[in-house]
Amino acid sequence: AQKVTQAQTEISVVEKEDVTLDCVYETRDTTYYLFWYKQPPSGELVFLIRRNSFDEQNEISGRYSWNFQKSTSSFNFTITASQVVDSAVYFCALSEEGGGNKLTFGTGTQLKVEL
Amino acid sequence: EAGVAQSPRYKIIEKRQSVAFWCNPISGHATLYWYQQILGQGPKLLIQFQNNGVVDDSQLPKDRFSAERLKGVDSTLKIQPAKLEDSAVYLCASSLDLRGNEQFFGPGTRLTVL
Repeated sequence: AQKVTQAQTEISVVEKEDVTLDCVYETRDTTYYLFWYKQPPSGELVFLIRRNSFDEQNEISGRYSWNFQKSTSSFNFTITASQVVDSAVYFCALSEEGGGNKLTFGTGTQLKVEL
Repeated sequence: EAGVAQSPRYKIIEKRQSVAFWCNPISGHATLYWYQQILGQGPKLLIQFQNNGVVDDSQLPKDRFSAERLKGVDSTLKIQPAKLEDSAVYLCASSLDLRGNEQFFGPGTRLTVL
């Protein structure tokens, strides 16, 4: 069965600090997809990134970067020079090719960025 | 491109009453999902449609929850009768198909059962 673990319940940082959100996953499929979503206080889930299991290249998008390591079953998310607008709950999620695109979410990490 | 639309945004009902939520997915998206998000938790899939057929409803409490997507576009989710533990945000999402594509979420309906 698929499972996603986000061990960090809440993280507080001061603006401009770098912060890394951890995500560890479990799956028996060889083909799977990993996602990160942002949920700001407004409540809507915003898609950030999708990665398939065959692509271990790290990705950078502006201040966001993602580190995918199959050897440790981790898909960590780093925000560089954090800003107050980054304050939100961040969810890591997994879908398996054999699972019909069903997403299994972690419990989320609440990030608070303060001035 | 318009996003996923949901209504109502908020609903307050008494236990044992019924309630219905509506979702309109992104145009051209064949797959539609309903998730339940209880406060402090990640969303949990209730039911998934591919066009107007059900792909997965294994976690839908079928004694009280029902959903349909009659013409393969809009969908409704109904709860009858509601229980206190149904208080949650109900999220609708859509994706192009079943092949690992990203899902796009609507704003959700926050349900409070008193």
